[in-house]
Amino acid sequence: IVLTQSPGTLSLSPGDRATLSCRASQSVSSYYLAWYQQKPGQAPRLLIYGASTRATGIPDRFSGSGSGTDFTLTISRLDPEDFAVYYCQQYGSSPPTYTFGQGTKLEIK
Amino acid sequence: QVQLVESGGGLVQPGTSLRLSCAASGFTFSGYPMHWVRQAPGKGLEWVAVIPSHGTNQYYADTVKGRFTISRDNSRNTVDLQMNSLRLEDTAVYYCARDVGRIGVFWGGLDPWGQGTLVTVSS
Repeated sequence: IVLTQSPGTLSLSPGDRATLSCRASQSVSSYYLAWYQQKPGQAPRLLIYGASTRATGIPDRFSGSGSGTDFTLTISRLDPEDFAVYYCQQYGSSPPTYTFGQGTKLEIK
Repeated sequence: QVQLVESGGGLVQPGTSLRLSCAASGFTFSGYPMHWVRQAPGKGLEWVAVIPSHGTNQYYADTVKGRFTISRDNSRNTVDLQMNSLRLEDTAVYYCARDVGRIGVFWGGLDPWGQGTLVTVSS
Protein backbone atom coordinates (compact mmCIF):
# COMPACT_ATOMS: atom_id res chain seq x y z
CA ILE A 1 0.00 0.00 0.00
CA VAL A 2 1.29 3.46 -0.93
CA LEU A 3 0.21 6.49 1.07
CA THR A 4 0.22 9.79 -0.81
CA GLN A 5 0.00 12.99 1.19
CA SER A 6 -1.11 16.31 -0.22
CA PRO A 7 -0.26 19.03 -0.55
CA GLY A 8 3.49 18.66 -0.31
CA THR A 9 3.72 22.08 1.29
CA LEU A 10 0.93 24.11 2.83
CA SER A 11 1.48 27.81 3.54
CA LEU A 12 -0.90 29.28 6.10
CA SER A 13 -0.99 31.89 8.83
CA PRO A 14 -1.48 31.46 12.58
CA GLY A 15 -5.19 31.25 13.30
CA ASP A 16 -5.98 29.63 9.94
CA ARG A 17 -7.52 26.21 9.51
CA ALA A 18 -5.26 23.52 8.03
CA THR A 19 -6.49 20.49 6.12
CA LEU A 20 -3.95 17.79 5.27
CA SER A 21 -4.77 14.78 3.12
CA CYS A 22 -3.51 11.20 3.13
CA ARG A 23 -4.69 8.97 0.30
CA ALA A 24 -4.04 5.23 0.19
CA SER A 25 -3.52 3.23 -2.99
CA GLN A 26 -6.01 0.67 -1.68
CA SER A 27 -8.49 0.55 1.15
CA VAL A 28 -6.99 0.83 4.62
CA SER A 29 -8.69 0.05 7.90
CA SER A 30 -9.29 3.31 9.74
CA TYR A 31 -8.45 1.39 12.91
CA TYR A 32 -4.85 1.22 11.72
CA LEU A 33 -4.15 4.79 10.51
CA ALA A 34 -1.97 7.17 12.54
CA TRP A 35 -0.68 10.73 12.16
CA TYR A 36 2.61 12.19 13.45
CA GLN A 37 4.10 15.65 13.78
CA GLN A 38 7.81 16.29 13.35
CA LYS A 39 9.52 19.58 14.10
CA PRO A 40 13.03 20.37 12.80
CA GLY A 41 15.71 18.50 14.68
CA GLN A 42 13.19 16.53 16.70
CA ALA A 43 11.81 13.01 16.65
CA PRO A 44 8.27 12.48 15.39
CA ARG A 45 5.41 12.74 17.88
CA LEU A 46 2.23 10.69 17.73
CA LEU A 47 -0.84 12.88 17.23
CA ILE A 48 -3.68 10.62 16.13
CA TYR A 49 -4.33 6.87 16.05
CA GLY A 50 -7.31 4.93 14.78
CA ALA A 51 -7.70 7.71 12.20
CA SER A 52 -9.53 9.98 14.65
CA THR A 53 -8.44 9.40 18.26
CA ARG A 54 -6.07 11.97 19.72
CA ALA A 55 -3.05 10.61 21.54
CA THR A 56 -2.46 11.57 25.15
CA GLY A 57 -1.77 15.28 25.62
CA ILE A 58 -2.63 16.32 22.06
CA PRO A 59 -4.69 19.55 21.93
CA ASP A 60 -8.25 19.31 20.68
CA ARG A 61 -7.53 21.65 17.78
CA PHE A 62 -6.09 18.53 16.11
CA SER A 63 -8.65 16.16 14.61
CA GLY A 64 -8.53 13.24 12.24
CA SER A 65 -11.15 11.73 10.00
CA GLY A 66 -11.63 9.49 7.03
CA SER A 67 -12.10 5.93 5.92
CA GLY A 68 -11.29 3.61 3.06
CA THR A 69 -8.64 5.35 0.99
CA ASP A 70 -9.06 8.98 2.09
CA PHE A 71 -7.97 10.36 5.43
CA THR A 72 -7.66 13.91 6.70
CA LEU A 73 -5.83 15.66 9.50
CA THR A 74 -7.39 19.00 10.42
CA ILE A 75 -5.91 21.68 12.65
CA SER A 76 -8.77 23.99 13.49
CA ARG A 77 -6.81 27.12 14.41
CA LEU A 78 -3.09 27.12 13.77
CA ASP A 79 -0.84 27.93 16.66
CA PRO A 80 2.73 29.07 15.86
CA GLU A 81 4.02 25.80 17.34
CA ASP A 82 2.00 23.76 14.81
CA PHE A 83 4.23 24.63 11.87
CA ALA A 84 6.01 21.36 11.20
CA VAL A 85 5.98 18.30 8.94
CA TYR A 86 3.09 15.86 9.28
CA TYR A 87 3.14 12.19 8.32
CA CYS A 88 0.41 9.60 8.06
CA GLN A 89 1.17 5.92 8.65
CA GLN A 90 -0.79 2.76 8.17
CA TYR A 91 -0.37 -0.65 9.74
CA GLY A 92 -1.13 -3.64 7.59
CA SER A 93 -1.15 -7.20 8.82
CA SER A 94 -0.17 -10.56 7.33
CA PRO A 95 2.71 -9.86 7.10
CA PRO A 96 2.97 -6.73 9.17
CA THR A 97 3.88 -3.58 7.26
CA TYR A 98 4.05 -0.02 8.52
CA THR A 99 3.98 2.40 5.62
CA PHE A 100 4.48 6.16 5.94
CA GLY A 101 3.27 8.85 3.62
CA GLN A 102 5.90 11.20 2.24
CA GLY A 103 4.84 14.04 4.53
CA THR A 104 3.22 17.46 4.30
CA LYS A 105 5.21 20.50 5.37
CA LEU A 106 3.07 23.12 7.06
CA GLU A 107 4.86 26.45 6.83
CA ILE A 108 4.10 29.98 7.95
CA LYS A 109 2.78 32.19 5.17
CA GLN B 1 9.11 8.77 32.36
CA VAL B 2 9.02 6.66 29.22
CA GLN B 3 12.29 7.09 27.40
CA LEU B 4 14.18 5.59 24.49
CA VAL B 5 17.85 6.36 23.89
CA GLU B 6 19.63 5.21 20.73
CA SER B 7 23.36 4.78 20.37
CA GLY B 8 25.90 3.30 18.01
CA GLY B 9 25.67 5.56 15.00
CA GLY B 10 28.71 6.82 13.14
CA LEU B 11 30.60 7.09 9.88
CA VAL B 12 31.25 3.81 8.08
CA GLN B 13 32.36 2.71 4.64
CA PRO B 14 30.09 0.95 2.14
CA GLY B 15 29.99 -2.80 2.59
CA THR B 16 30.80 -2.69 6.28
CA SER B 17 28.65 -3.36 9.35
CA LEU B 18 27.31 -1.36 12.26
CA ARG B 19 25.19 -2.23 15.27
CA LEU B 20 22.72 0.23 16.75
CA SER B 21 21.24 -0.10 20.19
CA CYS B 22 18.21 1.44 21.88
CA ALA B 23 17.86 1.50 25.66
CA ALA B 24 14.34 1.71 27.05
CA SER B 25 13.20 2.88 30.46
CA GLY B 26 10.06 3.93 32.27
CA PHE B 27 7.78 1.17 31.01
CA THR B 28 7.44 -2.63 30.93
CA PHE B 29 9.68 -3.19 27.92
CA SER B 30 8.77 -6.85 27.46
CA GLY B 31 5.14 -5.92 26.88
CA TYR B 32 5.61 -3.99 23.65
CA PRO B 33 6.77 -4.57 20.09
CA MET B 34 9.61 -2.29 19.10
CA HIS B 35 10.47 -0.67 15.77
CA TRP B 36 13.33 0.96 13.95
CA VAL B 37 12.44 3.81 11.59
CA ARG B 38 14.92 5.83 9.57
CA GLN B 39 15.03 9.23 7.93
CA ALA B 40 17.53 10.10 5.22
CA PRO B 41 18.82 13.69 5.29
CA GLY B 42 16.05 16.05 4.20
CA LYS B 43 13.70 13.16 3.44
CA GLY B 44 10.65 11.53 4.99
CA LEU B 45 10.24 8.65 7.40
CA GLU B 46 10.89 5.07 6.29
CA TRP B 47 9.88 2.12 8.42
CA VAL B 48 12.76 -0.37 8.76
CA ALA B 49 11.89 -3.27 11.07
CA VAL B 50 9.71 -4.50 13.92
CA ILE B 51 10.21 -7.12 16.59
CA PRO B 52 7.31 -8.46 18.66
CA SER B 53 7.34 -8.27 22.43
CA HIS B 54 8.91 -11.69 22.88
CA GLY B 55 11.21 -11.58 19.91
CA THR B 56 9.70 -14.07 17.50
CA ASN B 57 8.95 -13.38 13.82
CA GLN B 58 10.74 -10.17 13.05
CA TYR B 59 9.64 -8.21 9.96
CA TYR B 60 11.61 -5.94 7.67
CA ALA B 61 11.20 -3.41 4.90
CA ASP B 62 12.18 -4.83 1.52
CA THR B 63 15.02 -2.29 1.30
CA VAL B 64 16.86 -3.86 4.26
CA LYS B 65 15.67 -7.48 4.21
CA GLY B 66 18.56 -9.90 4.31
CA ARG B 67 21.03 -7.20 5.42
CA PHE B 68 19.59 -5.92 8.70
CA THR B 69 18.61 -7.91 11.80
CA ILE B 70 16.50 -6.60 14.65
CA SER B 71 16.84 -8.24 18.05
CA ARG B 72 15.91 -7.52 21.64
CA ASP B 73 16.98 -8.40 25.15
CA ASN B 74 14.05 -8.11 27.52
CA SER B 75 16.33 -8.65 30.53
CA ARG B 76 18.35 -5.56 29.60
CA ASN B 77 15.47 -3.53 28.07
CA THR B 78 17.30 -3.05 24.82
CA VAL B 79 16.51 -3.43 21.14
CA ASP B 80 19.33 -3.61 18.60
CA LEU B 81 19.66 -3.25 14.86
CA GLN B 82 22.54 -5.13 13.25
CA MET B 83 23.24 -3.57 9.87
CA ASN B 84 25.42 -5.48 7.42
CA SER B 85 26.50 -4.76 3.84
CA LEU B 86 25.78 -1.09 4.34
CA ARG B 87 25.08 1.03 1.28
CA LEU B 88 25.29 4.74 0.60
CA GLU B 89 21.48 4.88 0.64
CA ASP B 90 21.38 3.59 4.23
CA THR B 91 22.65 6.99 5.38
CA ALA B 92 19.98 8.28 7.74
CA VAL B 93 18.98 9.12 11.27
CA TYR B 94 17.76 5.88 12.83
CA TYR B 95 14.99 6.10 15.41
CA CYS B 96 13.71 3.41 17.69
CA ALA B 97 10.07 3.63 18.66
CA ARG B 98 7.67 1.75 20.88
CA ASP B 99 4.61 0.18 19.30
CA VAL B 100 1.73 1.14 21.53
CA GLY B 101 -0.12 -1.99 20.40
CA ARG B 102 -3.84 -2.49 20.57
CA ILE B 103 -6.06 0.09 22.24
CA GLY B 104 -9.43 -1.57 22.00
CA VAL B 105 -9.93 -2.21 18.29
CA PHE B 106 -7.32 0.35 17.26
CA TRP B 107 -3.64 0.09 16.55
CA GLY B 108 -2.18 2.73 18.83
CA GLY B 109 0.72 3.87 16.66
CA LEU B 110 4.36 4.44 17.56
CA ASP B 111 4.94 6.34 20.78
CA PRO B 112 7.36 7.47 22.02
CA TRP B 113 10.36 7.78 19.74
CA GLY B 114 13.98 8.12 20.69
CA GLN B 115 16.05 11.13 19.67
CA GLY B 116 17.73 9.18 16.87
CA THR B 117 21.27 8.23 15.97
CA LEU B 118 22.95 9.24 12.72
CA VAL B 119 24.47 6.64 10.44
CA THR B 120 26.59 7.94 7.59
CA VAL B 121 27.75 5.52 4.92
CA SER B 122 30.47 7.08 2.83
CA SER B 123 33.75 6.15 1.20
